[in-house]
Amino acid sequence: RKEVEQDPGPFNVPEGATVAFNCTYSNSASQSFFWYRQDCRKEPKLLMSVYSSGNEDGRFTAQLNRASQYISLLIRDSKLSDSATYLCVVNYGQNFVFGPGTRLSVLP
Amino acid sequence: DTGVSQDPRHKITKRGQNVTFRCDPISEHNRLYWYRQTLGQGPEFLTYFQNEAQLEKSRLLSDRFSAERPKGSFSTLEIQRTEQGDSAMYLCASSLGRLAQNTGELFFGEGSRLTVL
Repeated sequence: RKEVEQDPGPFNVPEGATVAFNCTYSNSASQSFFWYRQDCRKEPKLLMSVYSSGNEDGRFTAQLNRASQYISLLIRDSKLSDSATYLCVVNYGQNFVFGPGTRLSVLP
Repeated sequence: DTGVSQDPRHKITKRGQNVTFRCDPISEHNRLYWYRQTLGQGPEFLTYFQNEAQLEKSRLLSDRFSAERPKGSFSTLEIQRTEQGDSAMYLCASSLGRLAQNTGELFFGEGSRLTVL
């Protein structure tokens, strides 16, 4: 079993749609959790951290369930510019483990 | 530009040759990471430095791979006797860590793409 697994995707959604991505991790010692965004042929960039209480940043909401070892990302009112690959990242110690990513295409 | 820079951006080599990639992290960052990414996959951890000390290496890092960060600033990743399976994007990232804490933000370079023929 991979350490971090994500919805396989791709997700093709119309503009304005709400889309949710799921991620599970296997290491219960994991300490911190993040969502990164990677545009085509570009480097990954931090989108948002994920806190136990859940957190929101504009149209983006992240949730963490430590008991189930599950992380989610919700994007509301999706824009064309949201098209990218979304990477779930789990940190324990100084190691950052990336999931395989879920590709999102927002269609006009 | 004060971001992470990597060199070369692209390298095409023949199987069996040695290649070396260089990474210059953001100057005040004490932590430096190397990752490898292939098409359709997320970045895979290779190794990590805290200042000049290499603190962790993935089992993916075979004996043909070696990384250094001699003065705690730039880092090099060398691949000896390259194989076609080494073809990938090699990403370097840096971060600023204080004691046991980690901000969680890795700043990536644009990567060095390796093609082994």
